[in-house]
Amino acid sequence: RKEVEQDPGPFNVPEGATVAFNCTYSNSASQSFFWYRQDCRKEPKLLMSVYSSGNEDGRFTAQLNRASQYISLLIRDSKLSDSATYLCVVTPPYGQNFVFGPGTRLSVLP
Amino acid sequence: ETGVTQTPRHLVMGMTNKKSLKCEQHLGHNAMYWYKQSAKKPLELMFVYSLEERVENNSVPSRFSPECPNSSHLFLHLHTLQPEDSALYLCASSQGPSGYTEAFFGQGTRLTVV
Repeated sequence: RKEVEQDPGPFNVPEGATVAFNCTYSNSASQSFFWYRQDCRKEPKLLMSVYSSGNEDGRFTAQLNRASQYISLLIRDSKLSDSATYLCVVTPPYGQNFVFGPGTRLSVLP
Repeated sequence: ETGVTQTPRHLVMGMTNKKSLKCEQHLGHNAMYWYKQSAKKPLELMFVYSLEERVENNSVPSRFSPECPNSSHLFLHLHTLQPEDSALYLCASSQGPSGYTEAFFGQGTRLTVV
């Protein structure tokens, strides 16, 4: 089983739609969780950290379920500028590493 | 402006060449990373340095040689590469153990081996 798995995508949605991405991780002792965004041919950039209590940043909501080893990202009122690949990132309990999922590509259509 | 800068942004090299990638972080972080991103594959960790000491090496071929002279600079020395090494090479930095803070990435070096 891969360490971090994500919905394969791509997701093609109209502007204004709500879209949800799912991510699962294999190591139950993982410490920290993040969502990154990567635009085509650019570097990954932090979108938001994910906390056990869940957190929201404007149109973006992240949830963590440690019991199910599951992370989600919800985007409301999609904008054209949200088109990108969304990367789920997990850190292991020991050592220093950021383990990336394969990413889910989102295209928001006019 | 991410605070992590990489040079060069693009590099084309022959299989017999020797080149180096450079990364510099201006964030005061104490850990630096090299990642490789190939087409249609997840980011793969290559090397991790914490406080200038290598703490993780994911069985990377010896044709890739990292160097971390201080906590702000990281190099990746390349020699006798193969065409399959063509990829985007990303440098990142973070503060403290990875379990507490996020990683910040440079813009990457797009490497083509011919």
